[in-house]
Amino acid sequence: GAVVSQHPSWVICKSGTSVKIECRSLDFQATTMFWYRQFPKQSLMLMATSNEGSKATYEQGVEKDKFLINHASLTLSTLTVTSAHPEDSSFYICSAFRQDTDTQYFGPGTRLTVL
Amino acid sequence: DAKTTQPNSMESNEEEPVHLPCNHSTISGTDYIHWYRQLPSQGPEYVIHGLTSNVNNRMASLAIAEDRKSSTLILHRATLRDAAVYYCILRDPRGSNYKLTFGKGTLLTVNP
Repeated sequence: GAVVSQHPSWVICKSGTSVKIECRSLDFQATTMFWYRQFPKQSLMLMATSNEGSKATYEQGVEKDKFLINHASLTLSTLTVTSAHPEDSSFYICSAFRQDTDTQYFGPGTRLTVL
Repeated sequence: DAKTTQPNSMESNEEEPVHLPCNHSTISGTDYIHWYRQLPSQGPEYVIHGLTSNVNNRMASLAIAEDRKSSTLILHRATLRDAAVYYCILRDPRGSNYKLTFGKGTLLTVNP
């Protein structure tokens, strides 16, 4: 199968601090990864597309200076929430696109709570 | 992106088949039909996808209408672990478009 991991699975931080979330594709290489956010009782909202070796593409309304994305290798993308505030508390989910199966595979998610 | 319409919720009994419908009347000829499911507090899980022909895998079957304006995800024997939100998503792979747009999906409840 295709496995995508996320770390950490949950994090609690103080308002104003930055938090980094890692997304790894464990058994395949992914030139394209995605970051989603999901609020309680809502569907997943795409935040950005992460492309290996180039800048991320952000969806409309997502602040690129607040949500920093780095895709430095074919198996790792990171999302850094800078100067986090309580309204950034959410479930953050990444996915990796596998070319040979034309399928996105999702990580287990990271629960961020900002106090 | 072409839209899909799914019932908000459905209920099933354990060990019975489940048919989850999806309408996509504005589907284009190059749109693939993808199904994902999301268990509580987890990331989505790929279930199945297809273009025109019916598809089967170890998890489910996908039945696609001849005019492609609707499709049905079939779970042959529901278990309690199948309780999840099921998302039907259209994606046109042309132009290296790998994005998925999630709707509200169908919340499947499985009764013991």
